[in-house]
Amino acid sequence: EAGVAQSPRYKIIEKRQSVAFWCNPISGHATLYWYQQILGQGPKLLIQFQNNGVVDDSQLPKDRFSAERLKGVDSTLKIQPAKLEDSAVYLCASSLGTGGGYTFGSGTRLTVV
Amino acid sequence: KQEVTQIPAALSVPEGENLVLNCSFTDSAIYNLQWFRQDPGKGLTSLLLIQSSQREQTSGRLNASLDKSSGRSTLYIAASQPGDSATYLCASARSNDYKLSFGAGTTVTVRA
Repeated sequence: EAGVAQSPRYKIIEKRQSVAFWCNPISGHATLYWYQQILGQGPKLLIQFQNNGVVDDSQLPKDRFSAERLKGVDSTLKIQPAKLEDSAVYLCASSLGTGGGYTFGSGTRLTVV
Repeated sequence: KQEVTQIPAALSVPEGENLVLNCSFTDSAIYNLQWFRQDPGKGLTSLLLIQSSQREQTSGRLNASLDKSSGRSTLYIAASQPGDSATYLCASARSNDYKLSFGAGTTVTVRA
């Protein structure tokens, strides 16, 4: 079974620039999550999708972050404009349904300078 | 709101010693609890998943226990090896919405 794919692996941008991350979940997994992990902390949920729909985006800074899930499969997370405090690892995860075991991708390490 | 705490934040042991990693959570109404391993600069690898009805799960040298009433889970790693050096995170999924709440992790160093 192929894992959760994420790209790019690393990204360095200047503050106020925009950036986008891509995630391809495990085939058949209905639920997709984006997490932000700041150095030294546990991951924090940004947004959860169930198929095409958003289940929870209460922790997503909507003034600068946006996310979509295309046809219930791939997802993109965008930051515009980026701030220094957005420097973190952005993790995508998927599960068969809510409450199942999670499978995480390798993450995208974002550095904002 | 579920709070998950992992103590200690860091641990260094000589090779061969058994590891005991602790995780506590404030809300006992959990659906499951999952232990993950994270290598530097990498994503999370699932190690063990314990459903709320279970008391423990085992995989090779790894054993995880769950005590919902006391809000605790413990990960045991037998006969540690340098390759076990990593950060270990626990996460609980709430019963009402299955949201995962993570601890900050325990960073383990196994000295050869």
